[in-house]
Amino acid sequence: AQSVSQHNHHVILSEAASLELGCNYSYGGTVNLFWYVQYPGQHLQLLLKYFSGDPLVKGIKGFEAEFIKSKFSFNLRKPSVQWSDTAEYFCAVTKGNFGNEKLTFGTGTRLTIIP
Amino acid sequence: DGGITQSPKYLFRKEGQNVTLSCEQNLNHDAMYWYRQDPGQGLRLIYYSQIVNDFQKGDIAEGYSVSREKKESFPLTVTSAQKNPTAFYLCASSLFTSQGLASPLHFGNGTRLTVT
Repeated sequence: AQSVSQHNHHVILSEAASLELGCNYSYGGTVNLFWYVQYPGQHLQLLLKYFSGDPLVKGIKGFEAEFIKSKFSFNLRKPSVQWSDTAEYFCAVTKGNFGNEKLTFGTGTRLTIIP
Repeated sequence: DGGITQSPKYLFRKEGQNVTLSCEQNLNHDAMYWYRQDPGQGLRLIYYSQIVNDFQKGDIAEGYSVSREKKESFPLTVTSAQKNPTAFYLCASSLFTSQGLASPLHFGNGTRLTVT
């Protein structure tokens, strides 16, 4: 069965620090990749997605993620975090020829930014 | 503003009672989904519906039931057969593409159900 691993459960950073959240998946074929974010008190929302093409994907609020097929990874990055980035971040993966019914979520990473 | 409305935000029930969680969307999305979120676990799919009057079991459908009589509405019933019903429930919707591409999900704010 397909699985998604987010090894960092809780990350604490100071403002202006650089961020990288790990996401690894187990499926070897074509994949669709997503990062969703849940800010405190708000609903889950899409941060960025990768379907095909340039493996470096840019999302909202200065986030980006790089798809490295050989490493089965889709790590999320931001060069300089802000207090408002405090949230829970979920990586999700589905096989390329399937829709959301086969979407597998990671366990999430809670990010706390200290002012 | 288009979106997904889940109600209520908090729900308390006694063990042995069925309870129905509401989910309404005005995004004109064909597909709707119910997820369960537990501490330390990712979202797990309970049921999904890609079209009115049709729905499919997800990964953890046992003890749950749904209906899809209207495009806008996808209520979830947590039955007394669900062995561990206390959880945070999220409803989502998306466009449905015939090519099977996973269109981004739009989520509601969730319902936290506590069964004692």
